[in-house]
Amino acid sequence: QSALTQPRSVSGSPGQSVTISCSGTSSDVGSYDYVSWYQQHPGKAPKLMIYDVTKRPSGVPDRFSGSKSGNTATLTISGLQAEDEADYYCCSYAATYTYFGGGTKLTVL
Amino acid sequence: EVQLVESGGGLIQPGGSLRLSCAASGFAVNRNYMTWVRQAPGKGLEWVSVIYNGGSTFYADSVKGRFTIYRDNSKNTLFLQMNSLSAEDTAVYYCAREFVVARGVAFDIWGQGTMVTVSS
Repeated sequence: QSALTQPRSVSGSPGQSVTISCSGTSSDVGSYDYVSWYQQHPGKAPKLMIYDVTKRPSGVPDRFSGSKSGNTATLTISGLQAEDEADYYCCSYAATYTYFGGGTKLTVL
Repeated sequence: EVQLVESGGGLIQPGGSLRLSCAASGFAVNRNYMTWVRQAPGKGLEWVSVIYNGGSTFYADSVKGRFTIYRDNSKNTLFLQMNSLSAEDTAVYYCAREFVVARGVAFDIWGQGTMVTVSS
């Protein structure tokens, strides 16, 4: 089992857009439209931001969007705000296993 | 209110055993897929185990044969029995509910986490 690959860090200024990639394989990200994304602030539990690649749970701002191409999923955050600074994790289903990415620290400059 | 509350973490010596509990309120654990996820200090999230509403269970290779996930429907509580613990198991352990609306794996309700420290 191996984790999905994410950049360790990304940054952007308030109002800008950032993207976070999540690279998997044809056995996980590439095989299923079952990618989810989580936001985690320090000392807090993760929060679901995107599910089924592109869908947002109720209450998540539409500044957050998801997409997928081949074996890579992407989280886009537009109109960056200070409260978006957090760690972000992707997650993919793979048969009876579930894999998380290594996490990306988003810094709002 | 829909929520999960974990308990049972603590300091345990290598080779020891510990049982974590996750009490649910606002929904029935036996009607949902329930999962344990852990996070080592300063590290990322790691999926540990899942129990389906039908009772099937699955484990990460790193814990297979040592951990057991199960539930007590009468108490509406999820458990994780952890045996043969090693330093590599040191982490915050979260229980989470799979989002029923999602077609795939997505965790919409998380507990606050319980810390397990394996050290002599």
